[in-house]
Amino acid sequence: GDSVTQMEGPVTLSEEAFLTINCTYTATGYPSLFWYVQYPGEGLQLLLKATKADDKGSNKGFEATYRKETTSFHLEKGSVQVSDSAVYFCALNSGGYQKVTFGTGTKLQVIP
Amino acid sequence: DVKVTQSSRYLVKRTGEKVFLECVQDMDHENMFWYRQDPGLGLRLIYFSYDVKMKEKGDIPEGYSVSREKKERFSLILESASTNQTSMYLCASISPRYGEQYFGPGTRLTVT
Repeated sequence: GDSVTQMEGPVTLSEEAFLTINCTYTATGYPSLFWYVQYPGEGLQLLLKATKADDKGSNKGFEATYRKETTSFHLEKGSVQVSDSAVYFCALNSGGYQKVTFGTGTKLQVIP
Repeated sequence: DVKVTQSSRYLVKRTGEKVFLECVQDMDHENMFWYRQDPGLGLRLIYFSYDVKMKEKGDIPEGYSVSREKKERFSLILESASTNQTSMYLCASISPRYGEQYFGPGTRLTVT
């Protein structure tokens, strides 16, 4: 079945540091890939998506590229801010009632 | 703007009570989902619905039931609440185009 593996957290960075959160997946066919963000006490929000190989999703300074050859979708940001502190979830959707498979989440803490 | 709302942000119930959690979406989406989120366990799918009056069990349906009488509304029912159902409950709908999910703000349920 489908699965998503993302790096364990928590990740602690200083403000303005470079962020990478690794995500790899296993899926049949050609899934759509997503990053969601969850701020404390809230539900998940879609951060960015990519729907086919080599697509780059981007939003709020975050980027991720759909790499079919390495089955990866790593999240990056060049300069993190304290307000980026949250839990980040990698996810995929390979169809079939459109059920989504989530990774376990990576907590990011950015310190001033 | 896309909206998924949940009836309560916080709820405290006693063991054995019947609990209703309601979710409403305004995007005319066919598919809706209920998850629970627990520390260290990520998101786990309880039930989903792909049409009015249609439902499918997710990964952890035991102790829960659902109701979908109208397209925009999806209810989660705890027939007899137990302390191990203390959790954050998240409702979501899904866009048919690329499969991105839209989440409500969550209900933090405490069963005492």
